[in-house]
Amino acid sequence: RKEVEQDPGPFNVPEGATVAFNCTYSNSASQSFFWYRQDCRKEPKLLMSVYSSGNEDGRFTAQLNRASQYISLLIRDSKLSDSATYLCVVNSGALNFGKGTSLLVTP
Amino acid sequence: DADVTQTPRNRITKTGKRIMLECSQTKGHDRMYWYRQDPGLGLRLIYYSFDVKDINKGEISDGYSVSRQAQAKFSLSLESAIPNQTALYFCATAAEAGVRNEQFFGPGTRLTVL
Repeated sequence: RKEVEQDPGPFNVPEGATVAFNCTYSNSASQSFFWYRQDCRKEPKLLMSVYSSGNEDGRFTAQLNRASQYISLLIRDSKLSDSATYLCVVNSGALNFGKGTSLLVTP
Repeated sequence: DADVTQTPRNRITKTGKRIMLECSQTKGHDRMYWYRQDPGLGLRLIYYSFDVKDINKGEISDGYSVSRQAQAKFSLSLESAIPNQTALYFCATAAEAGVRNEQFFGPGTRLTVL
């Protein structure tokens, strides 16, 4: 079983929609969690860290459930510019990257 | 100027050739990493280094070697390239310690082995 699992999508949503991505991880000793964003043919960039209490950054909300070993990312009021691949990343001593979830926001 | 740079950005080579990919950073970070990305497989760690002369194998180190001669530079070599090493290669850096240390990626090198 891969350490980090994500639904690859693609998720096709209209502008203004709310969309949620989920991610599960296998190592219960994992220490920290992140969401990275990757545009086509570009490098990944940190979108946000994920804290146990949940955290919000503008239209983006991240949640962590340690008991279920589950991480989520919620995007509200989707913009065309949100179209990208979203990578779930888990630090279990080294960073383990999910394969990514593809999002396409359409007009 | 970019904080993490990679050269070359694109390279086409033939099976059996020796290839070196270079990574330089101006962030002053101690930790540097090499990853490869393949469609449908995500990012996989090849090698990493926590300091000059410190080298550690990652998930898929076979067929690769690295050199960390200076804090700012981390090079990846393919001694005898083979077609299944065709991929997008990323270098990344991180500040020392801290479980929340963000990794900063270079722009990537697209390598094609014919």
